[in-house]
Amino acid sequence: KNEVEQSPQNLTAQEGEFITINCSYSVGISALHWLQQHPGGGIVSLFMLSSGKKKHGRLIATINIQEKHSSLHITASHPRDSAVYICAVSYNNDMRFGAGTRLTVKP
Amino acid sequence: DAGITQSPRHKVTETGTPVTLRCHQTENHRYMYWYRQDPGHGLRLIHYSYGVKDTDKGEVSDGYSVSRSKTEDFLLTLESATSSQTSVYFCAISEDVGLLETQYFGPGTRLLVL
Repeated sequence: KNEVEQSPQNLTAQEGEFITINCSYSVGISALHWLQQHPGGGIVSLFMLSSGKKKHGRLIATINIQEKHSSLHITASHPRDSAVYICAVSYNNDMRFGAGTRLTVKP
Repeated sequence: DAGITQSPRHKVTETGTPVTLRCHQTENHRYMYWYRQDPGHGLRLIHYSYGVKDTDKGEVSDGYSVSRSKTEDFLLTLESATSSQTSVYFCAISEDVGLLETQYFGPGTRLLVL
């Protein structure tokens, strides 16, 4: 069983919709990361958080340590948000990654 | 963009040959990482370094070795490449506290072992 589970695996939305991607993990973590992988393959770190909530532009990440759950929200989605979003957790000097959520935003 | 380059960007090699991938950074960051990305597995940590000559194993270190003789360079070596090591390899860096901070990723190296 993977230590990090993401849902949904694939998500298609219309431009302007509010998007939520979920991440659940089964281990005690030091931090949780959200990454974005562009269609060309490049990976960008969006957030690193260990508690509460962070916001950057239209992106919001939340984490509930007690429930071992994090969500990534995208408000007013746009076709340029189309990418694979990856959740990862840091623990015991190691990192574990979710399989990713492929988001497609249609105009 | 963080100054991270990987070389080569693409490589085709034969089973049993040695392969070395290079990650070079211009940020003077302390931590460097090697990951592989495979369909169905996502990203997995191979090795990481927390300083010159200081390295440690990740989740999938078997068949790989690393070296860091300078802050700016982190080398990943496949001593005898196997077809199971066909993958996309990403290097990443972080500044000060390793896995507890944001990582910056290189562009990736696509390796095909025939």
